[in-house]
Amino acid sequence: ETGVTQTPRHLVMGMTNKKSLKCEQHLGHNAMYWYKQSAKKPLELMFVYSLEERVENNSVPSRFSPECPNSSHLFLHLHTLQPEDSALYLCASSQRVAGGLNTGELFFGEGSRLTVL
Amino acid sequence: AQSVTQPDIHITVSEGASLELRCNYSYGATPYLFWYVQSPGQGLQLLLKYFSGDTLVQGIKGFEAEFKRSQSSFNLRKPSVHWSDAAEYFCAVGGLEGGKLIFGQGTELSVKP
Repeated sequence: ETGVTQTPRHLVMGMTNKKSLKCEQHLGHNAMYWYKQSAKKPLELMFVYSLEERVENNSVPSRFSPECPNSSHLFLHLHTLQPEDSALYLCASSQRVAGGLNTGELFFGEGSRLTVL
Repeated sequence: AQSVTQPDIHITVSEGASLELRCNYSYGATPYLFWYVQSPGQGLQLLLKYFSGDTLVQGIKGFEAEFKRSQSSFNLRKPSVHWSDAAEYFCAVGGLEGGKLIFGQGTELSVKP
């Protein structure tokens, strides 16, 4: 496989469920990201794992919990979500160079469409 | 504050006609600029990027964009649109930090026969 793959592509869950989104990148990159895409809104950066550090958007609720066990895999654990969390969740990866020029070019997966009932 | 504005939410053009999608940014340092395209049910694909040098950059699928620092703009153009270009287009700005791109809200392009 090549590129960035996300599973599942579609997920429907109730507000009391616990589920996880999975992302895997086959590009040898060292940084991975979760973005939230809601209708008619700019993409919202949720979490970044890069060069063994984690950066998060402070506005992301604690019901979203990321996990990055290695540079190729990224998870987003979901629990007690709200209907307004329904969105397309996009995973991306990039190659970051510590202390040097960073291309900033992101490679995206196809997304996981989440519906919270 | 850092931001990206795409003034046009939806544009319709005829197949074969020229296209220009507008993008304005606000960024405190030297910007790196990107255009991404998203087809329905797909992730975002990079069309082109600007880091430095020639302000007119060429991308994939016949697209080009021009960086105008004085206008804080990075408009996307294509001389002749094809029906397969119908998609949503996102402009983004970043900096030396990389990866932490700020996206505009997107412009949806429709192509009529």
